[in-house]
Amino acid sequence: EAQVTQNPRYLITVTGKKLTVTCSQNMNHEYMSWYRQDPGLGLRQIYYSMNVEVTDKGDVPEGYKVSRKEKRNFPLILESPSPNQTSLYFCASSFQGYGELFFGEGSRLTVL
Amino acid sequence: GNSVTQMEGPVTLSEEAFLTINCTYTATGYPSLFWYVQYPGEGLQLLLKATKADDKGSNKGFEATYRKETTSFHLEKGSVQVSDSAVYFCALSRSTDKLIFGTGTRLQVFP
Repeated sequence: EAQVTQNPRYLITVTGKKLTVTCSQNMNHEYMSWYRQDPGLGLRQIYYSMNVEVTDKGDVPEGYKVSRKEKRNFPLILESPSPNQTSLYFCASSFQGYGELFFGEGSRLTVL
Repeated sequence: GNSVTQMEGPVTLSEEAFLTINCTYTATGYPSLFWYVQYPGEGLQLLLKATKADDKGSNKGFEATYRKETTSFHLEKGSVQVSDSAVYFCALSRSTDKLIFGTGTRLQVFP
């Protein structure tokens, strides 16, 4: 089954404790991206990757890091989480950077 | 810059009612336009799309027409069902690096 898999789905953590949200896709997509979803703000892009070893900032990259060492994986790293990073995070992938994005089920993160 | 504006929700309807969710956009040139749907507890999934002016996207009884003159892409369905209850996002793409989403409109359909 074609899918984008994120883990963990739910996480409660404390300020400053490094965490990683993993994302993996099995569709051989070139493009992957991370979004955060906040009430009243819709989805905002954090980082994206056009291909392996190629990543770039989206609209709200502060406080986040990413890496793309393999085509299928695109982890999101919060080096020192803060409460304003409490949000619902989505990983997405596609053959190209536009058009039909395939989304994961989301990771709800709470930073206390 | 490029942006998408959607009507505020929630939109509350009875089953079999007619649905319209308004979406207007600001963009240079000729963007591609999309509607995505997010069911409770799930990620977004593409509902329909249109890539040029006057195109009509359609899927699962939903339709939207790309109107260049009014910069709009309103979502419509003739008869909604309880199972259509979800959050609907309008989005545009002008480049290869991202989709720009509206804030989403929650639809609640009651029996």
